[in-house]
Amino acid sequence: EIVLTQSPGTLSLSPGDRATLSCRASQSISSSSLAWYQQRPGQAPRLLFFRASRRATAIPDRFSGSGSGTDFTLTISRLEPEDFAVYYCQQFGTFGQGTKVEIK
Amino acid sequence: QVQLQESGPGLVKPSQTLSLTCTFSGGYITSGPYYWSWIRQPAGKGLEWIGRLYTSGGSNYNPSLESRVTISLDTSKNQFSLKLRSVTAADTAVYYCARAYCAGDCYFGADYWYFDLWGRGTLVTVSS
Repeated sequence: EIVLTQSPGTLSLSPGDRATLSCRASQSISSSSLAWYQQRPGQAPRLLFFRASRRATAIPDRFSGSGSGTDFTLTISRLEPEDFAVYYCQQFGTFGQGTKVEIK
Repeated sequence: QVQLQESGPGLVKPSQTLSLTCTFSGGYITSGPYYWSWIRQPAGKGLEWIGRLYTSGGSNYNPSLESRVTISLDTSKNQFSLKLRSVTAADTAVYYCARAYCAGDCYFGADYWYFDLWGRGTLVTVSS
């Protein structure tokens, strides 16, 4: 069973900062199988990226996804107030434990 | 506009069966290469995939829950359902239904799948 480990657990940043979130798989996976989600407080998760780097509908281009093998990254180039949320990576039936991006 | 909506009791007694229904609107549940899934989230914790059902047949469940879970489909009502038996307090969570786009051979083993549509979630508390 593949385990997805996200780091850091919490990222404390200010609006306008750059955020870099990591998702590491316990063994090499196809980049096609990696997705990212955003979950704002009190809301359901929302798809951000599929196939590691394919932006979902209506996702702003300040978000980008990259990676291959065991290491995948979600980058937010300039944080907007609505970006402070929890982010999850997913591969098949496995989710990472999440990274919370909070306001510093 | 396509959407999913969960419904069912918000309170279930220990040892009983948790039953939830998800209604898909804005399209046909039999259309497209999709898995119909349930995911849960205990308060303050992460997401746990429960299981999925393919409209052409076949279901898969999280091994940690497999012995207690059944997901079924009612195409006449455009709905799918979750039954979780013998619940305990550890099953208290927000339960989400979700649609997963499937690529490849969705019946025998997809190349990948991801959740492109989610319900708003429903809180189920297990308590006497």
